[in-house]
Amino acid sequence: EDKVVQSPLSLVVHEGDTVTLNCSYEVTNFRSLLWYKQEKKAPTFLFMLTSSGIEKKSGRLSSILDKKELFSILNITATQTGDSAIYLCAADREYGNKLVFGAGTILRVKS
Amino acid sequence: SQTIHQWPATLVQPVGSPLSLECTVEGTSNPNLYWYRQAAGRGLQLLFYSVGIGQISSEVPQNLSASRPQDRQFILSSKKLLLSDSGFYLCAWSVLGRFWGYTFGSGTRLTVV
Repeated sequence: EDKVVQSPLSLVVHEGDTVTLNCSYEVTNFRSLLWYKQEKKAPTFLFMLTSSGIEKKSGRLSSILDKKELFSILNITATQTGDSAIYLCAADREYGNKLVFGAGTILRVKS
Repeated sequence: SQTIHQWPATLVQPVGSPLSLECTVEGTSNPNLYWYRQAAGRGLQLLFYSVGIGQISSEVPQNLSASRPQDRQFILSSKKLLLSDSGFYLCAWSVLGRFWGYTFGSGTRLTVV
């Protein structure tokens, strides 16, 4: 059975801290790994990772995929209170566009 | 540009009452459409997906059903709601062959009382 596991489940940090969120996956016919940020309503897209070892960056956020060890990490540097959200990791498979989501990591950044 | 509309935003319904949530997509043709449910503060569980009009696949057995009467319309229904149907329901779309992840609607928070 396909599964995506995220850790930690929740995290509380102070502004300015750096955080690393983890995502491991066991998915047949794996194609790509996606990260979403969800604040109050709809998840918003952060990154799609297809190739191993190539870091993607957007401002203070970065992510990388390891297809050999089947995991991805999402790094957030110099955290701000606006980074408080649920971060969702999802695996995409070949043959059918259905994402398998992890349970999410709840991040709270305290001022 | 493509947009996705989902309504209502919130809903409080008594146990045993019917349910109808609607999702429509604009600016694209023949999208794949999805219904997800999210328990409080947790990940997303796929309920239904559809690759075309009248084509519905169910991922988990449950008290809900879905229909796709038009290309860009996806409806989630129930004849009799249960307390366990409470949650945050999200509609999403993607395009087969040009998959770059989902675009989500703004969600419906359903509370069954």
